[in-house]
Amino acid sequence: GESVGLHLPTLSVQEGDNSIINCAYSNSASDYFIWYKQESGKGPQFIIDIRSNMDKRQGQRVTVLLNKTVKHLSLQIAATQPGDSAVYFCAESPLGGGSYIPTFGRGTSLIVHP
Amino acid sequence: DSGVTQTPKHLITATGQRVTLRCSPRSGDLSVYWYQQSLDQGLQFLIQYYNGEERAKGNILERFSAQQFPDLHSELNLSSLELGDSALYFCASSATDRVINTEAFFGQGTRLTVV
Repeated sequence: GESVGLHLPTLSVQEGDNSIINCAYSNSASDYFIWYKQESGKGPQFIIDIRSNMDKRQGQRVTVLLNKTVKHLSLQIAATQPGDSAVYFCAESPLGGGSYIPTFGRGTSLIVHP
Repeated sequence: DSGVTQTPKHLITATGQRVTLRCSPRSGDLSVYWYQQSLDQGLQFLIQYYNGEERAKGNILERFSAQQFPDLHSELNLSSLELGDSALYFCASSATDRVINTEAFFGQGTRLTVV
């Protein structure tokens, strides 16, 4: 399939390990954040979101942490599986007014070894 | 399968040419979103249509235009193509009019190569 992972930072983990993928955002006005997963040859898929009034949000096997002080977002994947291999990227957007246009990070390529 | 259909899957054309990319949204979805994804810039939001009308505009060049038809399919027209327009172009659809939408489903994309 088509690859969008070329030239991206890469994280290689063993199956069963926990993975942490990081994202630095730039707009102090951003108050809504989303993580996407993009498998080779496919379009992005929504994983989890978080609003700026929260520091942490948990989903199924995934947790997003938000540090507004340093404008940093992380995605933690527990018990990583080969099916988690993909490019992961974050998106930021201001929800409170002004432009609602989301800005996307370039992403990190996660490779899970069986 | 997300239910969003994009055609063609691949397109190779020369600089200066014009192409049209097509998107059929999921049944019942009123919003269509277009994105460009290049290796050096990541995913960029281009434009959104909701029920036939332009809803939000992002980083879309003046050489690019889009429309949504009464049957809700959408077309993205790219003209005076340059080498830098080579990218994956994604369409997404959703039932709501929100610009950033966790319930939007993406198509598989059209790979445009300008030579």
